[in-house]
Amino acid sequence: GAGVSQSPSNKVTEKGKDVELRCDPISGHTALYWYRQSLGQGLEFLIYFQGNSAPDKSGLPSDRFSAERTGGSVSTLTIQRTQQEDSAVYLCASSIPGPMAPLHFGNGTRLTVT
Amino acid sequence: AQSVTQPDIHITVSEGASLELRCNYSYGATPYLFWYVQSPGQGLQLLLKYFSGDTLVQGIKGFEAEFKRSQSSFNLRKPSVHWSDAAEYFCAVGARVGSQGNLIFGKGTKLSVKP
Repeated sequence: GAGVSQSPSNKVTEKGKDVELRCDPISGHTALYWYRQSLGQGLEFLIYFQGNSAPDKSGLPSDRFSAERTGGSVSTLTIQRTQQEDSAVYLCASSIPGPMAPLHFGNGTRLTVT
Repeated sequence: AQSVTQPDIHITVSEGASLELRCNYSYGATPYLFWYVQSPGQGLQLLLKYFSGDTLVQGIKGFEAEFKRSQSSFNLRKPSVHWSDAAEYFCAVGARVGSQGNLIFGKGTKLSVKP
């Protein structure tokens, strides 16, 4: 079946502009995660959605970052007033519920802020 | 707070040689532990996972990992490396309780394979 789909695959934006990154999870996966991968920094947790529960936003680095998940499916990560330090690969993952459920990752969106 | 340390940033091994990638974790209770692999141009894929039971777990692609509570380690091993194993490997620890289902990842170990 289809995997996790992220769009766009690459995004170049000017400093100060807003960007929206999209994630289509695997159908039926109620858990959805956003991570940020910077060179040499591993994966940094951003936000986690599980069903209708309030999202865990504890990883969002500043109030310029926000995410929503509509209808329990598609998610959008928004970065307002982008800064150069926001340049990274943004990864989305989905899974069935449960801490042992494997995460299925998308190929990511490479964001470059110039 | 839980954390994961992968001491080796980059490892190079010869094809056919054995491999061990180190992972140390910090967690107050019995952790959920995972190894993921990120091949060039591809998304992360789960190799194996551990929560309880036999401390030696088998994964895909011939990999295995051993949980050692006394050393807070979950090292990944493979007896004979293939060129296609060249990738970046991430160890992760998962939270058990509450609504926080997030994984904490290490910074990764990049594996290069010499012919």
